[in-house]
Amino acid sequence: ETGVTQTPRHLVMGMTNKKSLKCEQHLGHNAMYWYKQSAKKPLELMFVYSLEERVENNSVPSRFSPECPNSSHLFLHLHTLQPEDSALYLCASSLRTGGNYGYTFGSGTRLTVV
Amino acid sequence: QQQVKQSPQSLIVQKGGISIINCAYENTAFDYFPWYQQFPGKGPALLIAIRPDVSEKKEGRFTISFNKSAKQFSLHIMDSQPGDSATYFCAASINTGTASKLTFGTGTRLQVTL
Repeated sequence: ETGVTQTPRHLVMGMTNKKSLKCEQHLGHNAMYWYKQSAKKPLELMFVYSLEERVENNSVPSRFSPECPNSSHLFLHLHTLQPEDSALYLCASSLRTGGNYGYTFGSGTRLTVV
Repeated sequence: QQQVKQSPQSLIVQKGGISIINCAYENTAFDYFPWYQQFPGKGPALLIAIRPDVSEKKEGRFTISFNKSAKQFSLHIMDSQPGDSATYFCAASINTGTASKLTFGTGTRLQVTL
């Protein structure tokens, strides 16, 4: 384990369902991120939270709704998704400032929308 | 435009050979250039990183070469091993003061054959 835990690992949902992805880190990091990874595309930054405050929303459709209740937990709430939303959703954390800008990623949630 | 261009898309190298992956960027505000390694079913893991005031960084069999004037950087894997078979992503980061924001290349799938 990397220190960033994502659940569930796999999720199949219908287009009318509502589900949530969970991310948890115990690395003492204070910034958290959601990325979308699709085949043959660069990792796409979706949301950035710094000190539990959303600092970036990268033009993500409203059917994706993030929540960061504290610096250790990050959620991505999903509703009325489309088949093209099927992808690997990765959570990452980092220190918001300082010399080490490296991200630590979780193993991701493989989402399939049917 | 914050873009990072990566090549090749895929690479096959014999065991013991040198693997070379290239990246180019446009935004001169990037201040940190990490490489990530991703195995199937896992999230990307930080492999090695460099700052633009350094032209080369070596860690074991992995070396980053950085050319600031050309806005290019590359990853060299010496004595490539079958266990190095993975997808490699270059990235570039800007620290906005509230969080560090990584932009990724499209990835290179490396296969090391016996």
